Amino acid sequence: RKEVEQDPGPFNVPEGATVAFNCTYSNSASQSFFWYRQDCRKEPKLLMSVYSSGNEDGRFTAQLNRASQYISLLIRDSKLSDSATYLCVLWGYNKLIFGAGTRLAVHP
Amino acid sequence: DTAVSQTPKYLVTQMGNDKSIKCEQNLGHDTMYWYKQDSKKFLKIMFSYNNKELIINETVPNRFSPKSPDKAHLNLHINSLELGDSAVYFCASRTDQETQYFGPGTRLLVL
Repeated sequence: RKEVEQDPGPFNVPEGATVAFNCTYSNSASQSFFWYRQDCRKEPKLLMSVYSSGNEDGRFTAQLNRASQYISLLIRDSKLSDSATYLCVLWGYNKLIFGAGTRLAVHP
Repeated sequence: DTAVSQTPKYLVTQMGNDKSIKCEQNLGHDTMYWYKQDSKKFLKIMFSYNNKELIINETVPNRFSPKSPDKAHLNLHINSLELGDSAVYFCASRTDQETQYFGPGTRLLVL
C-alpha cells in the first residue's frame, strides 16, 4: 500500500466551481501535513500546511482527520490559474513523503 | 535572488556516461535534499544532507553519489547512466521547519 494515496484525476471544472481533493495516508506516526502545488514542468511549491483544527487561506481550506488518516483540500471559486497538480504531502521520519498528485484543470 | 538553483536545466546523454548535477541554495538552510520525479510524476526522496553530513539514503543505487562541499551546495554525480535514470531531479533545502524550497529541476534524458 502506498504511504500517501490520492485520486490522480484529472478534475475538469469550470471557472467559479468548488472542487475538493482527498488524500489518505497509511502511517499513523506522521507528524505534519501539507498541500503542495506543482505547475506543469515546474517545481513543487508549498500551498498550505494542514492543521487538525482545519485552516483556511483565502479560497483554500484544508482539513485533517487523524483518526481516519485523511486530508482534504477545498478550493472555492476556481480560477483558471488554479490549474495545476496538487500534491498531498506528509512529514515523518525526517523527510517529506509525497502523494502522486491530483491534476486540476479549470476551464472558462 | 534565486533561492535554490540547479544546473544544468536540461541534460541529454548516452547510456553509460557519467554526469553531474549541481545545486546551490542561498537561504542559509542547514538541510538539503535530492528528489527524483519519474514519468508517472511520483516525487521520491533520494538523499538528505544536514550540514554536509549524509542523513538519509533511500536505497538509491551506488551509481548515484551525492557530494556536499559546504552546506550551501549539494551536487549529484551519476555513474554509468541507464535508461531508467531518465527523470526530473529536484534539489531542495529547508531550515528547522518542515517547509522545503525546491529548485527548478534538472530534466535528464538518457538515450
